[in-house]
Amino acid sequence: QKEVEQNSGPLSVPEGAIASLNCTYSDRGSQSFFWYRQYSGKSPELIMSIYSNGDKEDGRFTAQLNKASQYVSLLIRDSQPSDSATYLCAVNDSSYKLIFGSGTRLLVRP
Amino acid sequence: EAEVAQSPRYKITEKSQAVAFWCDPISGHATLYWYRQILGQGPELLVQFQDESVVDDSQLPKDRFSAERLKGVDSTLKIQPAELGDSAMYLCASSSRLAGGEQYFGPGTRLTVT
Repeated sequence: QKEVEQNSGPLSVPEGAIASLNCTYSDRGSQSFFWYRQYSGKSPELIMSIYSNGDKEDGRFTAQLNKASQYVSLLIRDSQPSDSATYLCAVNDSSYKLIFGSGTRLLVRP
Repeated sequence: EAEVAQSPRYKITEKSQAVAFWCDPISGHATLYWYRQILGQGPELLVQFQDESVVDDSQLPKDRFSAERLKGVDSTLKIQPAELGDSAMYLCASSSRLAGGEQYFGPGTRLTVT
């Protein structure tokens, strides 16, 4: 069973801090990795995609990928209360099926 | 901005009734997905279409669920008969690539079966 694991949280950080969200995956053949943000009662919104080892930055968001360790992370700098949501890690497995983790709930305290 | 459209946004139905959901993908996206998301879990793929053809329906409960994309554009997912355990968010997503590409979700349909 191919798996994507995330800590369910909640991860609580003060406003202005860096939030660090982590994800591990089991399929070594995975090639594409995504982070989605999901507000309560809403659908997932794609915020980052990463395909190669290293860091990818987009505004306040940085995705980090380490295929050798089968580890993906998302850093959110200068966290805002509006960033409070559930963050879903998603991984395309070796058959290109998108597998989602159960999500990490982030709370940013004003 | 191009978006995936879904309707209805909310649906309440009694068990044993039939229910249908509609999805219109982003224009030009040949790949369309239907997912089910239970509260507290990540979305799980039900069926994937490439144009009008089913690519993957291995997780679709075929005794009660059916999906079609007759003209390779919009799609319908049907449940008949609905069961209490079908209560969930039904999400449609689309992608410009068959494999490995970014998927964009519609607003979803929240189904409650009573």
